[in-house]
Amino acid sequence: QLQLQESGPGLVKPSETLSLTCTVSGGSISSSSYYWGWIRQPPGEGLEWIGAIYYNGNTFYNSSLQSRVTISVDTSKNHFSLKLNSVTAADAAVYYCASHYGPKGYYYMDVWGEGTTVTVSS
Amino acid sequence: EIVMTQSPATLSVSPGERATLSCRASQSVSSILAWYQQKPGQAPRLLIYGASTRATGIPTRFSGSGFGTDFTLTISSLQSEDFAVYYCQQYDDWPITFGRGTKVEIK
Repeated sequence: QLQLQESGPGLVKPSETLSLTCTVSGGSISSSSYYWGWIRQPPGEGLEWIGAIYYNGNTFYNSSLQSRVTISVDTSKNHFSLKLNSVTAADAAVYYCASHYGPKGYYYMDVWGEGTTVTVSS
Repeated sequence: EIVMTQSPATLSVSPGERATLSCRASQSVSSILAWYQQKPGQAPRLLIYGASTRATGIPTRFSGSGFGTDFTLTISSLQSEDFAVYYCQQYDDWPITFGRGTKVEIK
């Protein structure tokens, strides 16, 4: 059974870079049926999709974050990562990683990590 | 990008009653739509994909319908564990987009 687990610092200073990793277990990140992505949720707000990556490195990003976001994949470690630079208080949120399942080329999020809270403060 | 609009923002329902949630896309997404349930302090859970297919383990009281731009999630008889926030999401095109959610609360 596929499981995802986020890890990374819970506190980031303004203007610095937020870095998170999602470790995949119970399945291979190199599966051709999956993209692997990140979603965030500011306190009391809804869900915002950040972006996703295929095992070969192909990526899609939310246009509103594209200039600050990089998602990368490490197939040898079966994990993928998120970097968001120049963070501000508006980037404080619970960050989720999720598998995007799409055997027919359309990808919905079937398995989610439990989420990790990121605070932005000096 | 495709904008997803959910209504109402809050739905007050008594246990045992039916709940009907709506979701509209700013352009056609065919049947490429999912619904998620989120309870406080928890990650979202996939309920429905392909507009009407229940995910593994989802009770039959949850049903989805619609095509194109207008979609509905129906909970036929609300149980106590169903009071939560529900999000629709289109995955027909990148970027993937969510609606702002409908909170189903106890009346």
